Amino acid sequence: AQSVAQPEDQVNVAEGNPLTVKCTYSVSGNPYLFWYVQYPNRGLQFLLKYITGDNLVKGSYGFEAEFNKSQTSFHLKKPSALVSDSALYFCAVYGGTSYGKLTFGQGTILTVHP
Amino acid sequence: DAGVTQSPTHLIKTRGQQVTLRCSPKSGHDTVSWYQQALGQGPQFIFQYYEEEERQRGNFPDRFSGHQFPNYSSELNVNALLLGDSALYLCASSLGLEQYFGPGTRLTVT
Repeated sequence: AQSVAQPEDQVNVAEGNPLTVKCTYSVSGNPYLFWYVQYPNRGLQFLLKYITGDNLVKGSYGFEAEFNKSQTSFHLKKPSALVSDSALYFCAVYGGTSYGKLTFGQGTILTVHP
Repeated sequence: DAGVTQSPTHLIKTRGQQVTLRCSPKSGHDTVSWYQQALGQGPQFIFQYYEEEERQRGNFPDRFSGHQFPNYSSELNVNALLLGDSALYLCASSLGLEQYFGPGTRLTVT
């Protein structure tokens, strides 16, 4: 069975500082990894994905994520946080024979303070 | 180009009733997946439809059923509603690996 862990329920950063939202995964076979963001009363918006290739993936709104196979991690990063980045972030994975079934983490609330 | 659309936006039902939620995929997408997101939780996979067939199913009881139409739109049906079925129901469409989500239907069961 595949699983995703987001160890921090909440992350607080000051505007202009770098941010990291952590994600670790467990899957058989090669993982396909995703980050989504959810604003209040909205659906999920795709940020970025890792399928294969370069371990550093760049996505929307200045976000990037680093795939680390040995640590089974896929942390989301941004060099300089904005107040408008405040939202709920989800890491998700496909893997093995469960193509099509995205498994999500519990989510991390990111709050960026002015 | 319209994204994924879902209807209705909100719905209130009573225990024991049945409900149907609807989803129109993003233009060009042929696969529709449904997820349940309970308050404070991550989305949980219900099932996925491709070519009008259920391709994969998550750990949800048979009370949850679906359908995909020839135009790729989809319905999620839930019978014999329980209080625990109260959640945000998300539809996602895809052509490849990347899933695009709709705004969701908020279902409240009283």
